[in-house]
Formats: sequence, C-alpha cells, structure tokens
Amino acid sequence: AQTVTQSQPEMSVQEAETVTLSCTYDTSESNYYLFWYKQPPSRQMILVIRQEAYKQQNATENRFSVNFQKAAKSFSLKISDSQLGDTAMYFCAFGETSGSRLTFGEGTQLTVNP
Amino acid sequence: EAQVTQNPRYLITVTGKKLTVTCSQNMNHEYMSWYRQDPGLGLRQIYYSMNVEVTDKGDVPEGYKVSRKEKRNFPLILESPSPNQTSLYFCASSSLGQGSYEQYFGPGTRLTVT
Repeated sequence: AQTVTQSQPEMSVQEAETVTLSCTYDTSESNYYLFWYKQPPSRQMILVIRQEAYKQQNATENRFSVNFQKAAKSFSLKISDSQLGDTAMYFCAFGETSGSRLTFGEGTQLTVNP
Repeated sequence: EAQVTQNPRYLITVTGKKLTVTCSQNMNHEYMSWYRQDPGLGLRQIYYSMNVEVTDKGDVPEGYKVSRKEKRNFPLILESPSPNQTSLYFCASSSLGQGSYEQYFGPGTRLTVT
C-alpha cells in the first residue's frame, strides 16, 4: 500500500514571496502519478498540478512548479509570487496507474499574508 | 458544464437513522469514488467503482455501502450512522481511458451525526 506524508501542517508566506510545500511518499510501483490539490475555504478540491512518474521533467503550471525526485520519493510544490488567493489547504496525492485510487497526505494549511 | 454533483450539501442527523448521499457525474466517467476528509488525516477512500455493477472497498469502508446501477450515479449509503461518521464527504470521478487519472471532485457533503 502507498503512503503519502506531508510533514508541514501549517505554513505562512508573505504576499509576492516564494514558498515550498513538502511531500514524500512510499511505494513499490515504478509508474504512477502524483498530484497537488488545493482546497480553499469553499472546500472545493481543485487540481493544481500533475506529474507522471515516468517523466523526468518537472511539471509547471504558471506560478506553480514541482520538484520531483523519484529516487528520493519526494514531490514538493513551489508557489512563486504568492497571492492572497493562494491561501488554502494543499494536499499531495499519489495516484495508481490502474486509476483505482488516490492516496492523500495529511494536508498543509498555507496562509498568504498581505 | 462538466461536473460532479452531490446532495445534500449539508446534513444533520441522529444516530441510527439511515441516510443516502447522492453523487452524479455528467462526463461519462467509468471510475467513481467516495472519500471522507477528517482534520489531520487528509482524504481517505471509502469505496470505489471501476464501472457499472463493479464496486470495491477502499481504506475505510466499515459502516458504508455503495451501489453502481447506472454509470452516472454512485450513491453512498449509511445504514445506521454513528457519531464517528461525522465528516466531510467527497465524491469523485475520472476517465480510465484518458491516461492522466485526474479525479474530478464534487463540492462535498458536510455530515453531522448526533
């Protein structure tokens, strides 16, 4: 079974600065997907970024980028030029290629301060 | 508009009174799943379904039932709710054929069992 660990329950950053959220996982699979989801106060789960394990290139979506270290089983999220709207709970998730499940981490509550 | 809908959004009930939370998706997705979200635990999978009439247990299935009689619907049934089932529930769906396994989430159902 897969496990996902987010060791930072809470983080804060000043507006316009850069912040990195950490995620580690454990699996015996060689191919899989990794995701970061954002959950604002509305509770809606919003996909931020996705990484396929077989791709060495780190995924990027505008101000969001990941540092994927497959050998270390690490998948951190970097948010550049932080905005007040980035305030949310962020979940790291591991996805099996069978598509049968997502395994989530505990979440990191990010607060962006003005 | 492509979406996953859940009803009700909020529910307060008493111990032992059977309830059903409905989930419907309009994207013709094969895969559907139920998760519960609890503080400090992230989201945990309750049940999932790979297609019509095919369901399987997730990580925390005790006290829940599901059915998949139609491709678009995946109701979650609590036959005899207990206070430890007070939680935020999410339904999700994805297309197994697309290869990205991105899951689309419903808006969530806040359940309180007294």
